[in-house]
Amino acid sequence: SQTIHQWPATLVQPVGSPLSLECTVEGTSNPNLYWYRQAAGRGLQLLFYSVGIGQISSEVPQNLSASRPQDRQFILSSKKLLLSDSGFYLCAWSVLRASYNEQFFGPGTRLTVL
Amino acid sequence: GEDVEQSLFLSVREGDSSVINCTYTDSSSTYLYWYKQEPGAGLQLLTYIFSNMDMKQDQRLTVLLNKKDKHLSLRIADTQTGDSAIYFCAERESGGYQKVTFGIGTKLQVIP
Repeated sequence: SQTIHQWPATLVQPVGSPLSLECTVEGTSNPNLYWYRQAAGRGLQLLFYSVGIGQISSEVPQNLSASRPQDRQFILSSKKLLLSDSGFYLCAWSVLRASYNEQFFGPGTRLTVL
Repeated sequence: GEDVEQSLFLSVREGDSSVINCTYTDSSSTYLYWYKQEPGAGLQLLTYIFSNMDMKQDQRLTVLLNKKDKHLSLRIADTQTGDSAIYFCAERESGGYQKVTFGIGTKLQVIP
């Protein structure tokens, strides 16, 4: 069966510090991978998606970057965090088929930037 | 661009029916979804409907789709306290990599 892991679960970082959040998927090959941010009162915002190793598309300009060094690994990074980067970060995966293409979400990382 | 709108909050009494509404803008959407998020957790797919359907029923859940008005609703019959969560409406575009756009989420509060 497929599982998705995210770590850490919670993180408190000072403004200006770097960030690295990791997401890994097990039990599937060549998934589409996504990073979302859920900020208070702003719903779910798609930050990045990837259809393959080294292929990253950014949905919105921001202080963050993403990388996919391996097929089932997706990393969200920042060189210098801003206060506005606080939020709940969710990784998700899906496999494109001629079907309803469910997205499967990880447990999330709660990031607080102080 | 795609846009999905939902009300922020809904409060119902246990045993009553809940109806959560959503409007979307992309008329070429292929699938529309309802995801559920329990506190502090990720989202889970609750149900979905293909764009050529008007209604889908799954146990206590009924999804209604009005393509003309681009309106989607989720009805939960006999709402239970365990249904308290945030419900996200989402649409999947037909082209490109079939991006899914989520609404802001409706927080359902069930009062015992």
